[in-house]
Amino acid sequence: DVVMTQSPLSLPVTLGQPASISCRSSQSLEYSDGNTYLNWFQQRPGQSPRRLIYKVSNRDSGVPDRFSGSGSGTDFTLKISRVEAEDVGVYFCMQGIRVPYTFGQGTKLEIK
Amino acid sequence: QVQLVESGGDLVKPGGSLRLSCAASGFTFSDYYMNWIRQAPGKGLEWVSYISDSGTTIYYGDSVKGRFTISRDNAKNSLYLQMNSLRAEDTAVYYCARDTLGGVDYWGQGTLVTVSS
Repeated sequence: DVVMTQSPLSLPVTLGQPASISCRSSQSLEYSDGNTYLNWFQQRPGQSPRRLIYKVSNRDSGVPDRFSGSGSGTDFTLKISRVEAEDVGVYFCMQGIRVPYTFGQGTKLEIK
Repeated sequence: QVQLVESGGDLVKPGGSLRLSCAASGFTFSDYYMNWIRQAPGKGLEWVSYISDSGTTIYYGDSVKGRFTISRDNAKNSLYLQMNSLRAEDTAVYYCARDTLGGVDYWGQGTLVTVSS
């Protein structure tokens, strides 16, 4: 199985400041079609996960442009340019290259 | 808009059975593969099972293989998860999630399964 490792697991951030979350996979997530299947999800308290980013850097509809994804191969990053109060929650990376789909442990973002 | 609504979660004793359902709307259900994903209380996410659009291709995670059965009824726009021989470690919120190339996109609100004596 592909192991996904996130860091940090806890991320206190001051409002208006940037935040960055790292995700590493145990195998390359680049598929034979040339796409890299790395997704980012946000889970606000008491809610189900919502996809923010797919194929490393593509924002889903309605996702604010302060969220951005980058990376390649086995190393990926989710960045929030200026954290807002509504960004509080847990962020997960997920590989979609093969089943079993696997997730990072989650990074809990809180406001300092 | 895409909606996925799970139901069927309950408190069940170890060794018991439960059937979860997921009602889909807002998209052509029969065109999409579907997944079940679970989240134990206070824990991360664990993929459980996956079924192709026609139902002919199915995969399970190792922790549920031989005990859980995924199925779908495209005429009813519904996904199911039959869970047998339940264990305490199966306690979790179970989400159905729509499959897309490279993972999943939309998730339901989840249904809570508690396995306890």
